[in-house]
Amino acid sequence: GAVVSQHPSRVICKSGTSVKIECRSLDFQATTMFWYRQFPKQSLMLMATSNEGSKATYEQGVEKDKFLINHASLTLSTLTVTSAHPEDSSFYICSASPGQGGGYTFGSGTRLTVV
Amino acid sequence: DQQVKQNSPSLSVQEGRISILNCDYTNSMFDYFLWYKKYPAEGPTFLISISSIKDKNEDGRFTVFLNKSAKHLSLHIVPSQPGDSAVYFCAAREYGNKLVFGAGTILRVKS
Repeated sequence: GAVVSQHPSRVICKSGTSVKIECRSLDFQATTMFWYRQFPKQSLMLMATSNEGSKATYEQGVEKDKFLINHASLTLSTLTVTSAHPEDSSFYICSASPGQGGGYTFGSGTRLTVV
Repeated sequence: DQQVKQNSPSLSVQEGRISILNCDYTNSMFDYFLWYKKYPAEGPTFLISISSIKDKNEDGRFTVFLNKSAKHLSLHIVPSQPGDSAVYFCAAREYGNKLVFGAGTILRVKS
């Protein structure tokens, strides 16, 4: 079945630095990938839709200059958190189509901690 | 505005009994409804889904019911097992587009 690999699984960085998270579709081509963010004990909130070869579409309230998304190939999308601050600490999850049951296949997530 | 709502933050059930998780939605344009199971620090894993043109879908111990007139769906797990303990997210898909998630329900199955 479809597999999405997300790396790293966890990362700790200092305030002001940038962090890159990779999302790869291992056995299929994904023209569209989605980036979600989950705060503790809350729902998964869609941040942006990543389209191969074009600009990402950001949800309302998400700073596109802070969360840079690049989808340069059909198997790789990256999310870069620029000038990270402690409030950016969260669990970030990517997903790609296809997935089972009309949905999407999710990566294993990245726990970002900014100190 | 929350388009997908899971009003019960948690549910505790005895092993062997039925677990019923509920979900309400507001957008009539959703074409698929899905249930995902999630553990802390992991991505969601697909459980079962239902098309908006159906009212029931069954897969082993899991059954999802859809009531379009009430904009309500439910997930039934029978019999419940301790390994079912996790967070369950209801999600709805806009036509060919993104998934919108509910807030999740923590299910605890006691042995």
